Amino acid sequence: AQTVTQSQPEMSVQEAETVTLSCTYDTSESDYYLFWYKQPPSRQMILVIRQEAYKQQNATENRFSVNFQKAAKSFSLKISDSQLGDAAMYFCAYRSAWPPPRDDKIIFGKGTRLHILP
Amino acid sequence: DTEVTQTPKHLVMGMTNKKSLKCEQHMGHRAMYWYKQKAKKPPELMFVYSYEKLSINESVPSRFSPECPNSSLLNLHLHALQPEDSALYLCASSQDSGFEQYFGPGTRLTVT
Repeated sequence: AQTVTQSQPEMSVQEAETVTLSCTYDTSESDYYLFWYKQPPSRQMILVIRQEAYKQQNATENRFSVNFQKAAKSFSLKISDSQLGDAAMYFCAYRSAWPPPRDDKIIFGKGTRLHILP
Repeated sequence: DTEVTQTPKHLVMGMTNKKSLKCEQHMGHRAMYWYKQKAKKPPELMFVYSYEKLSINESVPSRFSPECPNSSLLNLHLHALQPEDSALYLCASSQDSGFEQYFGPGTRLTVT
């Protein structure tokens, strides 16, 4: 079974600085997707970034980028120029690329609470 | 447009009440999901509908009853809930199995 581990329950970063959130996962599959979801205090879960396992190039979305290390099964999120609006719970998540119907699930990590210090 | 809508935003119900949560998406997505989320925890999957058919039921108590009337709508019928069922209930949809999921804002449920 796949697992996702986020070892940092909470982190803080100064506004305008850069922060990296860690995520490791375990799987025997070769084809899968990895995601970072953000859930601000308003509680709506928002997809921040996604990475296809078959792509070697790291995904980027504006100030958000990932460091995907497939062999090490590591998938960290870097937030550059942190803003107050980045304060949220961040969930790392895994999904099989071709799940059978009864296994169509996202596996979430336990989350990292990110605080932005003004 | 990646919008999933949920109503109501907040719901308070007694243990003998019957109520329903509603979820709607107009993105043509063929998979829809119900999650339960407790504070400071990741979402827990409850049900999955794929092409309007229930494909996953994660051993959820029968006091929760899902329904998918059409490809855009998903309901969760609630009956005889317990106080421990108080949580944020999230709906999500995805283009198909294996694609990223888009979440609605959730319904904050309180059972008294």
